[in-house]
Amino acid sequence: GQNIDQPTEMTATEGAIVQINCTYQTSGFNGLFWYQQHAGEAPTFLSYNVLDGLEEKGRFSSFLSRSKGYSYLLLKELQMKDSASYLCAVRDPLTGGGNKLTFGTGTQLKVEL
Amino acid sequence: NAGVTQTPKFRVLKTGQSMTLLCAQDMNHEYMYWYRQDPGMGLRLIHYSVGEGTTAKGEVPDGYNVSRLKKQNFLLGLESAAPSQTSVYFCASSYGENIQYFGAGTRLSVL
Repeated sequence: GQNIDQPTEMTATEGAIVQINCTYQTSGFNGLFWYQQHAGEAPTFLSYNVLDGLEEKGRFSSFLSRSKGYSYLLLKELQMKDSASYLCAVRDPLTGGGNKLTFGTGTQLKVEL
Repeated sequence: NAGVTQTPKFRVLKTGQSMTLLCAQDMNHEYMYWYRQDPGMGLRLIHYSVGEGTTAKGEVPDGYNVSRLKKQNFLLGLESAAPSQTSVYFCASSYGENIQYFGAGTRLSVL
């Protein structure tokens, strides 16, 4: 079956670093995406990992370990605008061919002063 | 460049009514998707399309129909709305199976 686990909520302080974990068990694996979703808005793409290791993009980094079924999103120098839900999504095969994204339920991050 | 545009933004229906949600993208993407997002359940794929004139079922297709008559448009239809279809609906598009770009969502309530 498809299962993606993320913490439901996290709280961090402005200027700090926070790590949001994601573990997955899916029927296949063709990459992992992280999206950011502010309340009432559309999800927006943050990062993509298909090979093991760390991908860095400015204040955001994402790590993947395929053998462990594990990824994390690292946010540095937190800002108030980083308060949002962070969605982990695995690209896995569809029965009829092609791939789909299976999303976790999201981690609601609150950044406090 | 508008990206992915969804109409309407909000809608209230009575049980049994029908409606169509419109998604339009101006990025010349081949792939388009319809998701629903419910509290505590994450985004779930309803239907998707890999090109003009083609559609396929996703995880939760029952009660919905779709059409892709033009490359830039993907329509989601509810033939007979039920309270269980109260949700936020998101359309997305992508170039191949790459990054998906989402619309702002349609908030639907079925009474």
